[in-house]
Parts: sequence; structure tokens; C-alpha cells
Amino acid sequence: DQQVKQNSPSLSVQEGRISILNCDYTNSMFDYFLWYKKYPAEGPTFLISISSIKDKNEDGRFTVFLNKSAKHLSLHIVPSQPGDSAVYFCAASAKTSYDKVIFGPGTSLSVIP
Amino acid sequence: DVKVTQSSRYLVKRTGEKVFLECVQDMDHENMFWYRQDPGLGLRLIYFSYDVKMKEKGDIPEGYSVSREKKERFSLILESASTNQTSMYLCASSLASRPRAYEQYFGPGTRLTVT
Repeated sequence: DQQVKQNSPSLSVQEGRISILNCDYTNSMFDYFLWYKKYPAEGPTFLISISSIKDKNEDGRFTVFLNKSAKHLSLHIVPSQPGDSAVYFCAASAKTSYDKVIFGPGTSLSVIP
Repeated sequence: DVKVTQSSRYLVKRTGEKVFLECVQDMDHENMFWYRQDPGLGLRLIYFSYDVKMKEKGDIPEGYSVSREKKERFSLILESASTNQTSMYLCASSLASRPRAYEQYFGPGTRLTVT
């Protein structure tokens, strides 16, 4: 049973528009959430994170929103650029789990010029 | 620039062979991880190590073992490769102190095919 879910396997967005990638989790012990980006033939790279004590974290064009009551987080990319085309993995971790991170299945984002 | 390297980008092995995947990091990280990535399943943790000679099972350890004799090197071993172990294998490392422990640095991956 997946503890981190990304229900959209793929998403297409026009360049310059907003990309919204969604993620749901089931484990209420998760207290830290991350997004990773992966280009083909490369390993994932860390993008942005948020602690459960916050509901928003912003880094340039990337903003992550956390809704703990709904067990939902989202990644907003504004404005979207063709170089943002990649697979995005949502991930989560709990204090009790050593330093383990649980990854979702990923969403493939295509930004169309 | 931080770096995690994996010994091979592509590997083809026969069923029953013993397979070694090597990973080296140059960031003096305490934690190292082995994942496999399969379509629709994301990254699944096989094993991780939080110190030299220490190892912990991840979510899917069956059919795998690991070795960490030096801090910078973490090896994944498939004792007897099977076709269901055909996958992309990713190594990662991280610091031990939270929350930076959750920010993992990944190698480029090894695409293993077992025939």
C-alpha cells in the first residue's frame, strides 16, 4: 500500500503558465516533505522541502503548499519553462523512521513551448 | 561540486549470476541508500546504511544484500540474479543530521537487465 501517492502520472502545461503537481499521503507520522526532480538518464535531484510546522515554502519559481488536515501537498511552478520538463517525485519522512524517505510514483511534467 | 558515482550505467547479466553494484560518494556523508526505480512504483528503498558496517533493511530487501566497509562506498549485491530484478538501481547519500538527512544526493543510476 503506497503511503505517498501522486495520482497524475503525467501533466502538460504551456510555457509561461502555472504547473501544479499534487501529492497525497496516508501516514500521519510524516513530518517532513520533499520534492525531487528527475531528468532522463540522471538521478533525482532535490528541489524543495517543507516541514509539517509550515504550510508554505517558496524558492524562486517553486512553491510547495502543505495541507495537513487533508494530508495533501502541492508543488506550484510559476512561470513554467521548457527546462522544467521532467519527472517530479513527492517524498515524505517521519522522525521515527531513521532517515528513511518514502517516495511517490512520480508525475511526468511536459512544458510545451 | 558534490558527487555520487555508480560503477556502471548499463549492465546485462544472466539469471543466476552474482551481481555487484558499486556506489561511491565524495561528500563525507554518513547515510547511504540503495533504491530501485520501476514504472508506476517510484523509488523503493532496498537497503540503507547510516554508518560504516551498519545496514538496515528497506522496504524490498529480499534477494539483495549490501556491504559498507568504508564510509564513502556502499555496495549492492544480487546473490543470484533473477529476471524480476531487471530495473534501474539508484544510489544516494545524505548527511545524518535532520532535516538535511532527508535531502539525498543521487547517482546517475545503473540500468540492470537480467536475461
